[in-house]
Amino acid sequence: DAGITQSPRHKVTETGTPVTLRCHQTENHRYMYWYRQDPGHGLRLIHYSYGVKDTDKGEVSDGYSVSRSKTEDFLLTLESATSSQTSVYFCAITGQGRIAEAFFGQGTRLTVV
Amino acid sequence: ILNVEQSPQSLHVQEGDSTNFTCSFPSSNFYALHWYRWETAKSPEALFVMTLNGDEKKKGRISATLNTKEGYSYLYIKGSQPEDSATYLCASLGAGGGADGLTFGKGTHLIIQP
Repeated sequence: DAGITQSPRHKVTETGTPVTLRCHQTENHRYMYWYRQDPGHGLRLIHYSYGVKDTDKGEVSDGYSVSRSKTEDFLLTLESATSSQTSVYFCAITGQGRIAEAFFGQGTRLTVV
Repeated sequence: ILNVEQSPQSLHVQEGDSTNFTCSFPSSNFYALHWYRWETAKSPEALFVMTLNGDEKKKGRISATLNTKEGYSYLYIKGSQPEDSATYLCASLGAGGGADGLTFGKGTHLIIQP
């Protein structure tokens, strides 16, 4: 199995509080992605990174920020959590090369009350 | 951001029957097309990564084809078994590769009925 872990796995937080989710990889892969999974929407890309300090917005980036100060860690921050951000969040990594497949973390279930 | 569409959204198939479903993606700016299998309460796992027009890949009873000129890919399952029940996702990478982000369709939810 690819070495990719997400933390925490479950979190309940209150509206308006900041929340940070962590994705850690041991594969030294260049590309890292954050997705959210919601019923009827599949996996939607929030932000992604193509190298240390190189990040870009995905389809649903509003209300989220990311940071990647080391190859192995990609952090997703909800600056002020809202109930609409209740979701399951998945981190994924891919290596370089045209046929590189993505490997996913186990997911983080976030509930904003 | 690429627009990736999958159809049908859900599919009920009798055990033993064969089935197929579609992924469409922008044919311009194409780099790679991915297929993933996603079982309930698990994480998606890669089935195929395809890059060449006309390519066909096979893994057991599952196969996939790719048409980059018209922007579609088909996934086929032969002789469906209950363990094939899952959501099947496709994802497209633009010409920038990983620097363009990996964009997924909404998936096809497949249920195999005994």
